[in-house]
Amino acid sequence: KNEVEQSPQNLTAQEGEFITINCSYSVGISALHWLQQHPGGGIVSLFMLSSGKKKHGRLIATINIQEKHSSLHITASHPRDSAVYICAATSGGGADGLTFGKGTHLIIQP
Amino acid sequence: NAGVTQTPKFQVLKTGQSMTLQCAQDMNHEYMSWYRQDPGMGLRLIHYSVGAGITDQGEVPNGYNVSRSTTEDFPLRLLSAAPSQTSVYFCASSYSQTGANVLTFGAGSRLTVL
Repeated sequence: KNEVEQSPQNLTAQEGEFITINCSYSVGISALHWLQQHPGGGIVSLFMLSSGKKKHGRLIATINIQEKHSSLHITASHPRDSAVYICAATSGGGADGLTFGKGTHLIIQP
Repeated sequence: NAGVTQTPKFQVLKTGQSMTLQCAQDMNHEYMSWYRQDPGMGLRLIHYSVGAGITDQGEVPNGYNVSRSTTEDFPLRLLSAAPSQTSVYFCASSYSQTGANVLTFGAGSRLTVL
């Protein structure tokens, strides 16, 4: 079974700072997902990637397949970015193939 | 588009009671799944379905039943609620069964079992 570890577990930063959240996994995968969950809210898919880098607005996700590692970056962070960020890895094929990390709780202070 | 709709959003049950969490999607997704989310733990898969008439167990299926009579609906049944089933439940769907498709989640259902 794939083990997915996220770091840090908690992160507090000031508005405008560059944020990095890390995700590592133990077994080779076919895709990695980054999800966002606001307090008391639902879960939204931010990215799904299997190689390289993806960018959406101020969010950037990268993955290094050889090192079994992915990062989520937030540029010019804003208080509305405060949320729990979750990564999930899949080995592909099979509906039960998603393994979730425990999440990183991010707080951006004004 | 409504996406994935879960009801109810909140529910309080007594031990031994039964109830059904409803999940419906309007995106014609083949794959649907139920997860529970507990403090300090990642999302855990309860049951999933790869199409109408087909269901299978996930990581934590005990105490839960599912059925998939239509593509749109995937209800989760608690037959005899226990305090250990106090959790937040999420329904999700995607185009196909492989993890290489973006998941769309419902808003969640917070269940408390007394």
